[in-house]
Amino acid sequence: RKEVEQDPGPFNVPEGATVAFNCTYSNSASQSFFWYRQDCRKEPKLLMSVYSSGNEDGRFTAQLNRASQYISLLIRDSKLSDSATYLCAVNDGSSYKLIFGSGTRLLVRP
Amino acid sequence: GAVVSQHPSWVICKSGTSVKIECRSLDFQATTMFWYRQFPKQSLMLMATSNEGSKATYEQGVEKDKFLINHASLTLSTLTVTSAHPEDSSFYICSALSGGAEQFFGPGTRLTVL
Repeated sequence: RKEVEQDPGPFNVPEGATVAFNCTYSNSASQSFFWYRQDCRKEPKLLMSVYSSGNEDGRFTAQLNRASQYISLLIRDSKLSDSATYLCAVNDGSSYKLIFGSGTRLLVRP
Repeated sequence: GAVVSQHPSWVICKSGTSVKIECRSLDFQATTMFWYRQFPKQSLMLMATSNEGSKATYEQGVEKDKFLINHASLTLSTLTVTSAHPEDSSFYICSALSGGAEQFFGPGTRLTVL
C-alpha cells in the first residue's frame, strides 16, 4: 500500500461546478497535512495547510479526518484557471519530511 | 509565501559529465532544504534532506556518492549530479523549510542527459 494515495483522475468538470478530492495516508503518526497545486512542468505551489478543525480559503475548503486517515479538498465555483494537478502531502510523523501523493488532475471546461 | 530560487532552470549535458544545481532561499534563512526528483506523470520523490552545516540525509535507494549535496550557508544548498546518465534525466526540485514547517519550492531544474 502506498503511504499517500490519491485518485489520479482526471476530473473533468464544467465551470462553476463543485469538485472534491480525497487523499488517504497510512501513517497514523503524521501531524502535518498540505494541499499543493502543480501546473504542467512547474513546481508545486502551496495551496493550503490542513488543520484538524478544517479550514477555508475563499472557494477552497480543506478537511482532515484522523480516524479514517484522509484529507479532503473541496473547490467551489470552479474556474478555468483551477485546471491543474492537486497534490496532497503528509509529513512522515517524525520529521518535517513530506510524502506526496501522485496527484489528482483537474480539468475545468468552459 | 517565501521565495526560493533554483539555477539553472534547465540544462542539457553529455553522459558522464557532472551538473550542479543551486537552490537559494531569497527572503528567509533555511537550516533545512529538501531535494526532490519528479519523472513525467509521477509524483515528487524525496531524494535527500539537506542540513546546513552537516551532512545530508539520503532516502533509501539514493546514492550519496552520485548525488552530492552541500548546504554551506543558511540560504544555499547545492545538488551535484555526478557522472550523469540518460536515466538521470528528470525534473529536480528543491524546497526550503520555513519556520512554520511549510515547504516552499524552487521553480525546478529540468535536466536532460544525452
